[in-house]
Amino acid sequence: AQKITQTQPGMFVQEKEAVTLDCTYDTSDPSYGLFWYKQPSSGEMIFLIYQGSYDQQNATEGRYSLNFQKARKSANLVISASQLGDSAMYFCAMRERTYNTDKLIFGTGTRLQVFP
Amino acid sequence: NAGVTQTPKFRVLKTGQSMTLLCAQDMNHEYMYWYRQDPGMGLRLIHYSVGEGTTAKGEVPDGYNVSRLKKQNFLLGLESAAPSQTSVYFCASSFGLGTEPHEQYFGPGTRLTVT
Repeated sequence: AQKITQTQPGMFVQEKEAVTLDCTYDTSDPSYGLFWYKQPSSGEMIFLIYQGSYDQQNATEGRYSLNFQKARKSANLVISASQLGDSAMYFCAMRERTYNTDKLIFGTGTRLQVFP
Repeated sequence: NAGVTQTPKFRVLKTGQSMTLLCAQDMNHEYMYWYRQDPGMGLRLIHYSVGEGTTAKGEVPDGYNVSRLKKQNFLLGLESAAPSQTSVYFCASSFGLGTEPHEQYFGPGTRLTVT
């Protein structure tokens, strides 16, 4: 069965510094997708970045990048130049997809706090 | 374009009462999902739908039922609420077909308390 593991319940980072949030996954499917979502204190889930298992390059979206190491089954989120507004819960998720299903399996999340 | 909306935003139920949560999306998405979020457990899939008239069980379906009579709406029902169903419920939708990544778009959530 597919599984997502986020081992960091909480992380602290100083404003303007970079931070890495860890995510490891387990799957036997050759084709899969990995997502990161942000959940601020207001509660909504915001899509940040996506990495497909066959993508040759690591995904980047503005200050977000995904350090994808397929052999190690890790998909860490890197936030560069942290801002106070980055303080939130961050969830890693993996897509489980068959001919008639398309589901996301979420990790337990990492709470990031950015301090001045 | 409202995206994904959920009704109601908050609800308090007594044990044994029933209720229906409504999710609506205006993005013409094929796939819709219901999740629950509990502290320390991330989001867990309750039920989902890959198209109008279809539903399927997710990871934690017990105690819930769903219906997708119209493409834009996905209803989650609790027939006899239990305190264990106290949670925040999220609805999401995605295109599901065509070019990746098919990210899921989430509603604002419904906070349900069962006493």
